[in-house]
Amino acid sequence: ELKVEQNPLFLSMQEGKNYTIYCNYSTTSDRLYWYRQDPGKSLESLFVLLSNGAVKQEGRLMASLDTKARLSTLHITAAVHDLSATYFCAVDGGAGGTSYGKLTFGQGTILTVHP
Amino acid sequence: NAGVTQTPKFRILKIGQSMTLQCAQDMNHNYMYWYRQDPGMGLKLIYYSVGAGITDKGEVPNGYNVSRSTTEDFPLRLELAAPSQTSVYFCASSGGVISAYEQYFGPGTRLTVT
Repeated sequence: ELKVEQNPLFLSMQEGKNYTIYCNYSTTSDRLYWYRQDPGKSLESLFVLLSNGAVKQEGRLMASLDTKARLSTLHITAAVHDLSATYFCAVDGGAGGTSYGKLTFGQGTILTVHP
Repeated sequence: NAGVTQTPKFRILKIGQSMTLQCAQDMNHNYMYWYRQDPGMGLKLIYYSVGAGITDKGEVPNGYNVSRSTTEDFPLRLELAAPSQTSVYFCASSGGVISAYEQYFGPGTRLTVT
């Protein structure tokens, strides 16, 4: 059974600081996704990581994937208040396109950015 | 282009009642999914579909049923509602392998069973 664990679960940051959210998963996968969820809202796709060593950046967020370590990171650079949200990683449980996008989600990291 | 739409937004059910959560997408996606999100938790897959007429169970299918008669619609049926089904339900769709199974989510239905 695929398990996905994020840490930390709660993250309180000051504006301008850097931090990293970690996502570990338990079985082989070559597709990992990061989503953002604002309170009471739906999920917004941030990044799709498809191969070992994949790195993607959008604004102050950068995501990477190490399939050998079964680890993805979401790095936040110079945080601003608008980044306050819950961030989820999700892992596609099949390798080689056999799982049809069946995702297992981590518990989520609640990020709060303070002035 | 509305994307993924869900109705209703909110619903309160009594124990033992039944209801259908509606989901529709206008992106011509073959793949559709139903998830539930309990407070403070990640999403769990209930059912999914890879095309009209084809559905399969996810991680937590008990107490739910689905059907997929068209590409656009993927309703979720709750039979004999129980308090454990109090949750927020999200529907999602994906273009499949050509889009790396990236999923687009609807706005959610908040269901309370009392």
